[in-house]
Amino acid sequence: AIQLTQSPSSLSASVGDRVTITCRASQGISSALAWYQQKPGKAPKLLIYDASSLESGVPSRFSGSGSGTDFTLTISSLQPEDFATYYCQQFNSYPHTFGQGTRLEIK
Amino acid sequence: EVQLVESGGGLVQPGRSLRLSCAASGFTFDDYAMHWVRQAPGKGLEWVSGISWNSGSIGYADSVKGRFTISRDNAKNSLYLQMNSLRAEDMALYYCAKGAGGNYLEYWGQGTLVTVSS
Repeated sequence: AIQLTQSPSSLSASVGDRVTITCRASQGISSALAWYQQKPGKAPKLLIYDASSLESGVPSRFSGSGSGTDFTLTISSLQPEDFATYYCQQFNSYPHTFGQGTRLEIK
Repeated sequence: EVQLVESGGGLVQPGRSLRLSCAASGFTFDDYAMHWVRQAPGKGLEWVSGISWNSGSIGYADSVKGRFTISRDNAKNSLYLQMNSLRAEDMALYYCAKGAGGNYLEYWGQGTLVTVSS
């Protein structure tokens, strides 16, 4: 199975900061990567698909990049509502897998 | 509006079985792949299983292969997960999710909780 490794596992940042989360795949997955945001007690929400496509309704401060094995999620200017846990997921081949998550906390 | 409503969770003893259901509405169900994802208390997301629109392509996580079976009934707009030989480590909130495009998870239900305990 393809393993996804996210870094960092947790991150403290302030409103207005630029934040980058990385996701590394154990083998190439082309652009078959998605990013999700999850807030406590809520279902995950799709942010980015196909590595860099912004899901409809998601603020443009979120962006994704990468292909092959290395991917990034960037939030250009953190807003209070962005403090949450973020997951990457590969859907290149079964079994689909998630990264372990990155918890973004308020500094 | 897309709606995914999971049901069938509950308390079950180790080694027993449980069948989860997901009722879908608000989209053409038989056009899309569907998936199950779980989340153990305080832990991260784990993809469990996926099924293509016509049931022709099915995948499972290594942790459930041979014990869980995914299926769908397009006439009833429903997705299922038959879970056999349940273990303590299967205890989690189980989400149903709609696949899109290359099979990313576009919409999610609110989940149904499975507790495995004697």
